[in-house]
Amino acid sequence: KNQVEQSPQSLIILEGKNCTLQCNYTVSPFSNLRWYKQDTGRGPVSLTIMTFSENTKSNGRYTATLDADTKQSSLHITASQLSDSASYICVVSVLNYGGSQGNLIFGKGTKLSVKP
Amino acid sequence: KAGVTQTPRYLIKTRGQQVTLSCSPISGHRSVSWYQQTPGQGLQFLFEYFSETQRNKGNFPGRFSGRQFSNSRSEMNVSTLELGDSALYLCASSLMTPVNNEQFFGPGTRLTVL
Repeated sequence: KNQVEQSPQSLIILEGKNCTLQCNYTVSPFSNLRWYKQDTGRGPVSLTIMTFSENTKSNGRYTATLDADTKQSSLHITASQLSDSASYICVVSVLNYGGSQGNLIFGKGTKLSVKP
Repeated sequence: KAGVTQTPRYLIKTRGQQVTLSCSPISGHRSVSWYQQTPGQGLQFLFEYFSETQRNKGNFPGRFSGRQFSNSRSEMNVSTLELGDSALYLCASSLMTPVNNEQFFGPGTRLTVL
């Protein structure tokens, strides 16, 4: 069964600290993996998209890594800011030449709180 | 380029009523997907429309329906509302298939059913 598991479920860190969020998936065949940031009550915003051949992708202070062999991804946030407080959602796309929407598998997200 | 817009942003209804939510995708985007998000459940896929055709559907009852117009704008309708329908409803658009193209989400419509 295609699944995406994220950990931890929630995380509290102090402003200025680094943190790493985890995403494990059992999706096959794999197409791409995405990380989204969702502020409370708002729509998700894309941070990174990685295909099978990409190991690392950065977007400012956000760096995502992908290990397609172990089916794991991580999102590293450097020098956290109060504005990083949000939910971070991992989404894995199943390779499907038909392109049907049903093949986007969503994780339940990690809720990050950055405290001053 | 304007982003995905959703109207209304907030809605309060009572059980048994019906509701229609609207989504305007990014200009040029032909695929529109709808999601329901409730605390602890994450995003649950409702359906996707492409060129006025429903291309895929999630595991929701028939009370949930949608449509897409020729200008790619989309609406979703929920009939006979239940308390459990209270959620944030998100619309997302992409150029073509969302599987291989980036999805852009709207701000959502917060529906409260009393």
